[in-house]
Amino acid sequence: DQQVKQNSPSLSVQEGRISILNCDYTNSMFDYFLWYKKYPAEGPTFLISISSIKDKNEDGRFTVFLNKSAKHLSLHIVPSQPGDSAVYFCAASLFITQGGSEKLVFGKGTKLTVNP
Amino acid sequence: EAGVAQSPRYKIIEKRQSVAFWCNPISGHATLYWYQQILGQGPKLLIQFQNNGVVDDSQLPKDRFSAERLKGVDSTLKIQPAKLEDSAVYLCASSLGVTLHFGNGTRLTVT
Repeated sequence: DQQVKQNSPSLSVQEGRISILNCDYTNSMFDYFLWYKKYPAEGPTFLISISSIKDKNEDGRFTVFLNKSAKHLSLHIVPSQPGDSAVYFCAASLFITQGGSEKLVFGKGTKLTVNP
Repeated sequence: EAGVAQSPRYKIIEKRQSVAFWCNPISGHATLYWYQQILGQGPKLLIQFQNNGVVDDSQLPKDRFSAERLKGVDSTLKIQPAKLEDSAVYLCASSLGVTLHFGNGTRLTVT
């Protein structure tokens, strides 16, 4: 039961163009969504997030859009740079009443390659 | 602020052997997570601690995996006995809220 899906295993774009990474989820109880970036031999690092009560969040070159009715979110990178080449994971968060903490469910990731 | 520390970085063992991983979270982070990431897949939660209590271990194969977090700080994850399908990167993360901070992981190869 894959609750968070990233259907594109890879994406290749030219430097300076827009990169759009997509993510779909099935559980309407998710209350927060995050994108993580991962370089080889390193742990994932937090990139940007969005609350379920918003539909857009922007941070520099990175913008995340959330469409709750479609259970879909996307990450836009503009302009794309070669240093953005990495695996991007979409994650969705669920609040666990017991213990009062968040549980994160990850997608399989999309490998982005930005060509100079 | 110092990040999440994990050791060892790499481990190669034979099947049926045992192995242990160590994690030191970011100071003050109450929640600690162990994730398993198999090549080509996203991280899968094995166990989640809130201080030294277990919040979620529903996906932990308890016949062979165990984890503890004594004194609500450091944590160890053990596999005994290991199987070939346990080959993966084991990631530790900690958090105060929603955002998880990950260590660099331990890459385990079971031969």
